[in-house]
Amino acid sequence: DVKVTQSSRYLVKRTGEKVFLECVQDMDHENMFWYRQDPGLGLRLIYFSYDVKMKEKGDIPEGYSVSREKKERFSLILESASTNQTSMYLCASRSTVNYEQYFGPGTRLTVT
Amino acid sequence: AQSVSQHNHHVILSEAASLELGCNYSYGGTVNLFWYVQYPGQHLQLLLKYFSGDPLVKGIKGFEAEFIKSKFSFNLRKPSVQWSDTAEYFCAVTRPNFNKFYFGSGTKLNVKP
Repeated sequence: DVKVTQSSRYLVKRTGEKVFLECVQDMDHENMFWYRQDPGLGLRLIYFSYDVKMKEKGDIPEGYSVSREKKERFSLILESASTNQTSMYLCASRSTVNYEQYFGPGTRLTVT
Repeated sequence: AQSVSQHNHHVILSEAASLELGCNYSYGGTVNLFWYVQYPGQHLQLLLKYFSGDPLVKGIKGFEAEFIKSKFSFNLRKPSVQWSDTAEYFCAVTRPNFNKFYFGSGTKLNVKP
């Protein structure tokens, strides 16, 4: 059974803080993704990684960066958190065999 | 850029009613299609998927979806909903050998007992 875990379920940070969101998958998937989920907007892709140290911008990368030093771990970094980054953040990993994405439980981030 | 439209944002049904949720996408080539469900407080999970072959796809919990290529649609159906189907449903599209998924904005289904 695929497992994608995220470091925190809930996080409260102050404006201007640097924020790290961690994601770990246990299925040796090459592809990993970070999305944000907002009411009425669905899931929007922030960044994805197709291999270790390889990354590509998604549709809304501004204000975010990512790091993938090991295959199982994909980190999302908010360099200087702002209130408009208050959202639910979802990590996913994807099999290159069946193209399915497997999602983590999400981190609800509040920036005050 | 590809887009995915879910026209019903919020649907309220009584138990035993039939369900159909619409999903349309904009890409004209070969696509892989998915429906995901998010139950309250839970993570997104796959309901069903279409890659090729029979355009009528059956998924978990009695759900099915029909791919109509000429209409660029992949509508989700269930003949008789239950209270436990209360959730948010997302349609997603990707292309073979392509990394990005495109998600619709979601449809919240509320089933009244």
